[in-house]
Amino acid sequence: EPEVTQTPSHQVTQMGQEVILRCVPISNHLYFYWYRQILGQKVEFLVSFYNNEISEKSEIFDDQFSVERPDGSNFTLKIRSTKLEDSAMYFCASSGDRGTGNTIYFGEGSWLTVV
Amino acid sequence: DQQVKQNSPSLSVQEGRISILNCDYTNSMFDYFLWYKKYPAEGPTFLISISSIKDKNEDGRFTVFLNKSAKHLSLHIVPSQPGDSAVYFCAASEYNTDKLIFGTGTRLQVFP
Repeated sequence: EPEVTQTPSHQVTQMGQEVILRCVPISNHLYFYWYRQILGQKVEFLVSFYNNEISEKSEIFDDQFSVERPDGSNFTLKIRSTKLEDSAMYFCASSGDRGTGNTIYFGEGSWLTVV
Repeated sequence: DQQVKQNSPSLSVQEGRISILNCDYTNSMFDYFLWYKKYPAEGPTFLISISSIKDKNEDGRFTVFLNKSAKHLSLHIVPSQPGDSAVYFCAASEYNTDKLIFGTGTRLQVFP
C-alpha cells in the first residue's frame, strides 16, 4: 500500500538553529500538508500546498516556517530559527484531491525536540 | 479553538463487545468528517469517513453515524478486538478547504 514517508524520525536541535523536515508524499497525490502535534495536545493544521504554492495556512505558520517542493518527489518543511515551543511531532500528509470527500493520508511523523 | 470535541479521554471495552466513540462539533459549516486511529509515535491512520449528506457509513467492523441537528458523530466498532487499542481522533473539514480540524482524541483500550 502506498504511504507517506518522512525523515528524520527524530531530531534534536538547539534553539535558534534551522531545521528541515523532509517528506515523500504518495506518488500520484497532488495536495500536500504539514500538521503538528505538541505533546499532550491535538493534531493541528499548519499548511497546505498545491501546484507549487501554499494554498492555505494557519496562524501557527508564521514567517519562521516555509515549505518547498524542491523536486518531483520531496516536500519539505523548514523552520528557520527554532524555539522551544516548536518541539512537537510534525506530520506530513498528502491527498489526491482537495476538499470534501478526499481522504488525507499521514506519514509516521518527525519528532522535533528543541533544547 | 474547540470546534471539534471528544469529551471522553479514554474508554475501556471488553473484547467482542461494542466500542462507541463520540465526537461533537460546533461549526455548522463542516461537511465532511473522518475518524483516524493513532498508535504512539506513529501518524494518524485513516479509518472511515462520512459526508454531511449521509447519516451513516459502514466499513466492516466500523460504522460512523452522523446527527447533523445535534452536531454529533460517533464511531462504532463491533466486535472490538485487542488490536483496536489506540487513540481515536475525529476530524472535520469545511467544504472546499484544505484543513482538517481534529478533536483531542479518545484512548480506547480493548481487554481480553
